[in-house]
Amino acid sequence: QQQVKQSPQSLIVQKGGISIINCAYENTAFDYFPWYQQFPGKGPALLIAIRPDVSEKKEGRFTISFNKSAKQFSLHIMDSQPGDSATYFCAARTETSGSRLTFGEGTQLTVNP
Amino acid sequence: GAVVSQHPSRVICKSGTSVKIECRSLDFQATTMFWYRQFPKQSLMLMATSNEGSKATYEQGVEKDKFLINHASLTLSTLTVTSAHPEDSSFYICSADRQGGDGYTFGSGTRLTVV
Repeated sequence: QQQVKQSPQSLIVQKGGISIINCAYENTAFDYFPWYQQFPGKGPALLIAIRPDVSEKKEGRFTISFNKSAKQFSLHIMDSQPGDSATYFCAARTETSGSRLTFGEGTQLTVNP
Repeated sequence: GAVVSQHPSRVICKSGTSVKIECRSLDFQATTMFWYRQFPKQSLMLMATSNEGSKATYEQGVEKDKFLINHASLTLSTLTVTSAHPEDSSFYICSADRQGGDGYTFGSGTRLTVV
């Protein structure tokens, strides 16, 4: 019940294309859903996050779509750039202070020039 | 923004020795810090949750006598890998919970190589 399933494992898109990464969760107690971007040899960095009271959040080229009834959420990267090439992790947690993050398996995104 | 500083970024040690990794929250107080281990091309695996002034809570399968965690202040947590062996070689990452902030802030990670 604590799992977060992420797909695809790897993704290759052309520059300017749309990258889409999907996640599904089981625990209905989760109420905060962040996405992290990780470059090789670095720690993850928060990219964008959403709470279940909204169905979509957009920040620049990055958009999270959230479907509460389906227990799914996805990250869309518009106009993908080579600099977006990184590993992306979805995650989920309850908003209780100090609660742990449950991570997806990660998606390695490669944007070809 | 919230910054978590992790040191060292890279360490090579001999088998049987101990290595200490520091994680500091620079501009906020962190009641709770988390320690993760990450193998190549894999997700982050939570090792333990560290609460200031109390004993850490270890995840199942993590040896608490091998991975010593100390969280003596609201801005500093340390992970000591004792009697390190080659199989302990990995990427270790800390994160801190900034209360009221948006999610956890991660350190830049420590690449440990045991030879």
